[in-house]
Amino acid sequence: DIVMTQSPDSLAVSLGERATINCKSSQSVLYGSNNNNYFAWYQQKPGQPPKLLIYWASIRESGVPDRFSGSGSGTDFTLTISSLQAEDVAVYYCHQYYSTPHTFGQGTKLEIK
Amino acid sequence: QVQLVQSGSELKKPGASVKVSCKASGYTFTSYGLNWVRQAPGQGLEWMGWINTKTGNPTYAQGFTGRFVFSLDTSVSTAYLQITSLEAEDTALYYCARGKQWHDYWGQGTLVTVSS
Repeated sequence: DIVMTQSPDSLAVSLGERATINCKSSQSVLYGSNNNNYFAWYQQKPGQPPKLLIYWASIRESGVPDRFSGSGSGTDFTLTISSLQAEDVAVYYCHQYYSTPHTFGQGTKLEIK
Repeated sequence: QVQLVQSGSELKKPGASVKVSCKASGYTFTSYGLNWVRQAPGQGLEWMGWINTKTGNPTYAQGFTGRFVFSLDTSVSTAYLQITSLEAEDTALYYCARGKQWHDYWGQGTLVTVSS
């Protein structure tokens, strides 16, 4: 199974500042034949189901604010929130769909400093 | 609009069975795979497997074989998760989520509580 490891486990950032969450996979999720990273990011607020933010590592889902961006390739990925808003307080999960079983990172809790 | 609506919370005794439903609307049900994801209290997301809604073929993650069964009723655009011989450790929120690759729509979750 591909193990997804996020860092940090929790993060406190001031409003308007940049937040960065990292995710490392135990093996590459880059599929050579199409050059796509089989990787996504989700946001989960308390009492809600997860919400898709990013897929193919860097494609923003429709309706997601452009302050959210995804980058990285192979085994190392980053979710960046360029200017933190109060509504961004949540737990963020990375997800690989390169192979079954799909696996998620352990989650990163983002709070306001 | 796309919606996945799950059945309500369940309270079951150890050894009992439960069947959770996930009714899809707003899209062609057989055009997208359907996944099941477990979230234990205060914990992260765990992918249980998925079912091919065209063929009905299920794929289970290790740890979700034997007592867990995915099924479909395509006539009513609904997927089901059945869990038999329930154990206290099965207490969790169970989500259905659309998409064989990334999961773009999620149900609201069904809380299954196993307690004597």
